[in-house]
Amino acid sequence: EVQLLESGGGLVQPGGSLRLSCAASGFTLSTYAMSWVRQAPGKGLEWVSAISGSGSSAYYADSVKGRFTISRDNSKNALYLQMNSLSAEDTAVYYCAKGTVTYAKRILDYWGQGTLVTVSS
Amino acid sequence: QSALTQPASVSGSPGQSITISCTGTTSDVGGYNYVSWYQHHPGKAPKLMIYEVSNRPSGVSNRFSGSKSGNTASLTISGLQAEDEADYYCSSYTSSSTLGVFGGGTKLTVL
Repeated sequence: EVQLLESGGGLVQPGGSLRLSCAASGFTLSTYAMSWVRQAPGKGLEWVSAISGSGSSAYYADSVKGRFTISRDNSKNALYLQMNSLSAEDTAVYYCAKGTVTYAKRILDYWGQGTLVTVSS
Repeated sequence: QSALTQPASVSGSPGQSITISCTGTTSDVGGYNYVSWYQHHPGKAPKLMIYEVSNRPSGVSNRFSGSKSGNTASLTISGLQAEDEADYYCSSYTSSSTLGVFGGGTKLTVL
């Protein structure tokens, strides 16, 4: 059974940093691209970042480019999102999501339950 | 503003059918058969319901179906049930980004 469990969310001050983790189980992580998707309060879903199975390619939304870094450790079955220079606009529930073998199809077939990030002073 | 346009809300009675539209451009919905639909019950993990316009993952009820015409994709739910009440999001490949794009979401109310 595929399971994705996010952690690392919390309250952080504007300008601060946070590192999210996603523990994956039930599949071979290195085979699949992985993504982070967020949902701000009262808003829809926003695709934040994605990374190829090997970790050699990473992609970012313009809204987080230069501030967020996605990474993965396939040996630990883990996905990460390092978030720096956080602002109130980054307040959201962050979801870890598994892609299919072909990233180009942009399909997210399994999702975690999310971790809440609140940026506030 | 979301890249794909969905109605904010739709509603239907149990047993009825409803359709949710998702309108994009030739750079996304209209140009590629990589449209997905997700069901999201607040507080829970989103769930993939339809991929590649009209394919259902294993375990998804055949009451859910997808289609596309031009720049508009559609999700149809037949035989509405109370548990179908949720938010629904479309998503698509887009040539304008290395990431996918989502619609703004549609809240389905089962009356």
